[in-house]
Amino acid sequence: QVQLVESGGGVVQPGRSLRLSCAASGFTFSNYGMHWVRQAPGKGLEWVAVIWYDGSNKYYADSVKGRFTISRDNSKNTLYLKMNSLSVDDTAVYYCARVMDSYSSGWPAYWGQGTLVTVSS
Amino acid sequence: SYVLTQPPSVSVAPGKTASITCGGNNIGSKSVHWYQQKAGQAPVLVVYDNSDRPSGIPERFSGSNSGNTATLTISRVEAGDEADYYCQVWDSSSDRWVFGGGTKLTVL
Repeated sequence: QVQLVESGGGVVQPGRSLRLSCAASGFTFSNYGMHWVRQAPGKGLEWVAVIWYDGSNKYYADSVKGRFTISRDNSKNTLYLKMNSLSVDDTAVYYCARVMDSYSSGWPAYWGQGTLVTVSS
Repeated sequence: SYVLTQPPSVSVAPGKTASITCGGNNIGSKSVHWYQQKAGQAPVLVVYDNSDRPSGIPERFSGSNSGNTATLTISRVEAGDEADYYCQVWDSSSDRWVFGGGTKLTVL
């Protein structure tokens, strides 16, 4: 079965950087696009970024473009989110999610349990 | 940018039918996906491509999409359906995925 386990969250000061990881198992990772979605405390879901199965295309929300970078290592079955210039507004639970269909750039279908990032001085 | 509008809350009695709307400009031309998120848990996909259900999702969950409104319908509502529900679409004009603000379903 599809398993996605996020890690790398924690408390970080404003302006600093953090890298999140998402370890995937139970499917052929290199065949599927992957998303990052976040949820601030008590708020709704906010899409962050998506990367195609082969890493050839990446798209970002306006709120993170230029500061966050999504990447993947298909040899390690791992998705990453490098977050720079963090602000208090980036405080959220960050979820990774797999798209439904292989070789597509579709919607998030399978979700991890999330990792909490707290930006605070 | 494309905006999806959901009612903040919907209440329904057990056994009745709940309808959760998602409004957007000409949303009928897009594919809408719906997620259920129970308190303290990760979201779960309940409807994709307007009206399809992933395996394991009860037939009580159904979706429709036309004009400027997409609707998630939950029939014979159970206490366990109490959750936040989100709609989502791909905005091809900006190459962005967009979520609605979410609707809290309360089972009375």
